[in-house]
Amino acid sequence: AQSVTQPDIHITVSEGASLELRCNYSYGATPYLFWYVQSPGQGLQLLLKYFSGDTLVQGIKGFEAEFKRSQSSFNLRKPSVHWSDAAEYFCAVGSNTGTASKLTFGTGTRLQVTL
Amino acid sequence: DTGVSQDPRHKITKRGQNVTFRCDPISEHNRLYWYRQTLGQGPEFLTYFQNEAQLEKSRLLSDRFSAERPKGSFSTLEIQRTEQGDSAMYLCASTSGGQGAGEQYFGPGTRLTVT
Repeated sequence: AQSVTQPDIHITVSEGASLELRCNYSYGATPYLFWYVQSPGQGLQLLLKYFSGDTLVQGIKGFEAEFKRSQSSFNLRKPSVHWSDAAEYFCAVGSNTGTASKLTFGTGTRLQVTL
Repeated sequence: DTGVSQDPRHKITKRGQNVTFRCDPISEHNRLYWYRQTLGQGPEFLTYFQNEAQLEKSRLLSDRFSAERPKGSFSTLEIQRTEQGDSAMYLCASTSGGQGAGEQYFGPGTRLTVT
């Protein structure tokens, strides 16, 4: 069964500082991997995805993530955080084959940005 | 492209009542998903449709829950005899394609409160 672990429940960073949110997944083959962001009371917005190819993927809002197969990780990074980045971030894994296409999400990391 | 829409955005109901939620996916998307999100958790998969066919259901989807997508466009999720444990955010997502998990675009969600 597929699963996702986000070990950090809550992270606080200063505006302008760099950010790394951790994500570890469990999946039997090469997965599809996603990062979503959710503001309070809102739905989820897709930040970036990994399907295949280059293991460093770029997303919206200046975010990037690196797929490391050997570590089963897909960590999200941003070089300089803005106050508007404060939100909940979810990592998700999905199948890359067949009709099984649900996403399995981690429990999320809440990002607080101090000015 | 108006995105995924959900109606209503909020629903308060008394225990034992039936409720129905609607989801309108992005128009060209043939796959539609329902997820449930409780406080402090990531979304959990409930069910998914490819066109009008319901292809997968989670064991979370008890017999009090039913979902339909009669013409392969909008979908409804009905909960009969609601219980307090049904209080959650119900999220709808859509994507195109036929193999594996695609880029799923989420609606704003319907927040259900059962009193």
